[in-house]
Amino acid sequence: SQQGEEDPQALSIQEGENATMNCSYKTSINNLQWYRQNSGRGLVHLILIRSNEREKHSGRLRVTLDTSKKSSSLLITASRAADTASYFCATHLNRDDKIIFGKGTRLHILP
Amino acid sequence: DAGVIQSPRHEVTEMGQEVTLRCKPISGHDYLFWYRQTMMRGLELLIYFNNNVPIDDSGMPEDRFSAKMPNASFSTLKIQPSEPRDSAVYFCASSPWELNTEAFFGQGTRLTVV
Repeated sequence: SQQGEEDPQALSIQEGENATMNCSYKTSINNLQWYRQNSGRGLVHLILIRSNEREKHSGRLRVTLDTSKKSSSLLITASRAADTASYFCATHLNRDDKIIFGKGTRLHILP
Repeated sequence: DAGVIQSPRHEVTEMGQEVTLRCKPISGHDYLFWYRQTMMRGLELLIYFNNNVPIDDSGMPEDRFSAKMPNASFSTLKIQPSEPRDSAVYFCASSPWELNTEAFFGQGTRLTVV
C-alpha cells in the first residue's frame, strides 16, 4: 500500500515561477526523501530530510517536514524547462528498512 | 562505479512465457529493492533484500513472481508464467546500510507481455 500521497497529481506553471508539491504520509518515519523521474528514466534522488529536521535547502530546492501533521513540501524556485518531470516523495519507515513511494506529482514547466 | 545496472532495458514476451529480469547493485550496498511502476498503481515495492537475504516479500503480487539474490552483486526477478497484466516498468534500487541514506535506482526494465 502507498505510504506517501503527493498533491497535486499534476501541476503546470510558467517558467520562472515557483512550484510547490506536497506529500502526506501515514506512519512514523526515519526520514523522508524526494526523487525526480524524467520520462522513461529511473528515479534520481534530490534531497533527504531526517525526522528531527524541519527544513532543508539544496540549490533551488527547499523541503519542509512537519511530523505532527505527517506532511512534507517540496518547493522548486525559479523553475526551468528542465524541471519538467515527475516528483515523488518516499518515506523510510521507522519500523523496518522499507522505502515506500507515493504516486508522484507530474510537473510541467511552460515556456 | 557505474551505478545500478539492469538488464534487459526492454523485454517483449508472449503470455505464458518465463521472464527473468536482472540487477547488479552498486558495490558495497547492503540493501537491494525491486519496484514495479505502472500508471494505475505508481511505484510498488515488491521485495527487498539485506545482505542477500530477503527481508520482506509482502509486495510480491502472486506466486508467479520470485526473486533471488545469490550473491552481493547480482539479483534476479522472475515471472513464470507471465501475464499481460504484468506489463510494467520494473526498477531495481540499492542502498548502503547506513540509516538516512538514499536509494540509487537503475534505469529500469520495460516489460510488455502480449
